[in-house]
Amino acid sequence: EPEVTQTPSHQVTQMGQEVILRCVPISNHLYFYWYRQILGQKVEFLVSFYNNEISEKSEIFDDQFSVERPDGSNFTLKIRSTKLEDSAMYFCASSEWMYTGELFFGEGSRLTVL
Amino acid sequence: DAKTTQPPSMDCAEGRAANLPCNHSTISGNEYVYWYRQIHSQGPQYIIHGLKNNETNEMASLIITEDRKSSTLILPHATLRDTAVYYCIVVTDKLIFGTGTRLQVFP
Repeated sequence: EPEVTQTPSHQVTQMGQEVILRCVPISNHLYFYWYRQILGQKVEFLVSFYNNEISEKSEIFDDQFSVERPDGSNFTLKIRSTKLEDSAMYFCASSEWMYTGELFFGEGSRLTVL
Repeated sequence: DAKTTQPPSMDCAEGRAANLPCNHSTISGNEYVYWYRQIHSQGPQYIIHGLKNNETNEMASLIITEDRKSSTLILPHATLRDTAVYYCIVVTDKLIFGTGTRLQVFP
């Protein structure tokens, strides 16, 4: 069964450092998403991406965050200068259709900012 | 997106049916009801969705009331591996998670 894969599974970084989280969406999917979950809290929408552009972003997705599809398979989330409060699980997801609720999620990347 | 209300937690005995309720009284005519679950800290997993008819797949059944103001997810024979947080989400254009129902399946 096709799946969304994410790397790294866990990253520890110092405050102020840049972090790139990587995702390989399901191959025939065209819509990509990042969500995050701070420990013990809700899964929060960050951004959706289609056709090399951001479709929608939440208030959380400020100038510190960026997304990119650098090649035909990877989808990345960059945090420019990490803060302690960026510590969370980051989930990538992909979908075949726009405006659908049927998303396929990866297993997440745990980011710990010290 | 319309809001949903779910009980914070439920228990179910292994092998019995787990019936998870969800209220979505402000749902609009074109909004779908989706159910996801999250096992421990893994990525959310899609279970099932529906608009107005009842739906069934290999994982679960979804019963939507005629007025669409509430629904019930049914896991017909719960196992220990079904212990998870279950999210009922009304979707217009994107998936927004609430706090869900923490289902504990016990032996």
